[in-house]
Amino acid sequence: EDKVVQSPLSLVVHEGDTVTLNCSYEVTNFRSLLWYKQEKKAPTFLFMLTSSGIEKKSGRLSSILDKKELFSILNITATQTGDSAVYLCVLNSNSGYALNFGKGTSLLVTP
Amino acid sequence: GAGVSQSPSNKVTEKGKDVELRCDPISGHTALYWYRQSLGQGLEFLIYFQGNSAPDKSGLPSDRFSAERTGGSVSTLTIQRTQQEDSAVYLCASSFLGRGDSPLHFGNGTRLTVT
Repeated sequence: EDKVVQSPLSLVVHEGDTVTLNCSYEVTNFRSLLWYKQEKKAPTFLFMLTSSGIEKKSGRLSSILDKKELFSILNITATQTGDSAVYLCVLNSNSGYALNFGKGTSLLVTP
Repeated sequence: GAGVSQSPSNKVTEKGKDVELRCDPISGHTALYWYRQSLGQGLEFLIYFQGNSAPDKSGLPSDRFSAERTGGSVSTLTIQRTQQEDSAVYLCASSFLGRGDSPLHFGNGTRLTVT
């Protein structure tokens, strides 16, 4: 049973487009939700979200959490080819110590 | 070191052999995780260490899998009598705080191929 569901599974856009990646989850009691970017090997940290409705921003990337509707989105504006990667949504629940990863959204930005 | 270091980066082994994978976390990071990633699949949790103890081993798929951590630093993941379904990329991550309360820093992984 998937606790974290990401959509779409894959996406192809042109450079300059804006994309929105979705992450929905099932548990209501959790410590945080995180976003990671995975290019070839090691996932790299993007955002950690703990509070609902507060947008976190880093350059062209931003993310927000909706605890009432149980989802988070990751926005990328003015996409570049270097944004091509798999974006992973991760739930840090209160049960156990495992961080639960979604299967990811594979983003391809074409020139 | 500057980041999480894993060795070897690639390992090809014959079915039935034992393998040992090593993870050197960032200095000062108390928490250490092992995950594996199969082709087209998400990251699958294996085990969590806080210091040298492992309060969560729930993800280890069978008793052929074991892991230890010594000196609150280096960790080794051992797979005995490897099977073809063990083929995957094994990722190690460390974090400053436990319970995922600070971001995980991942190594580049060990790609294990069982022939």
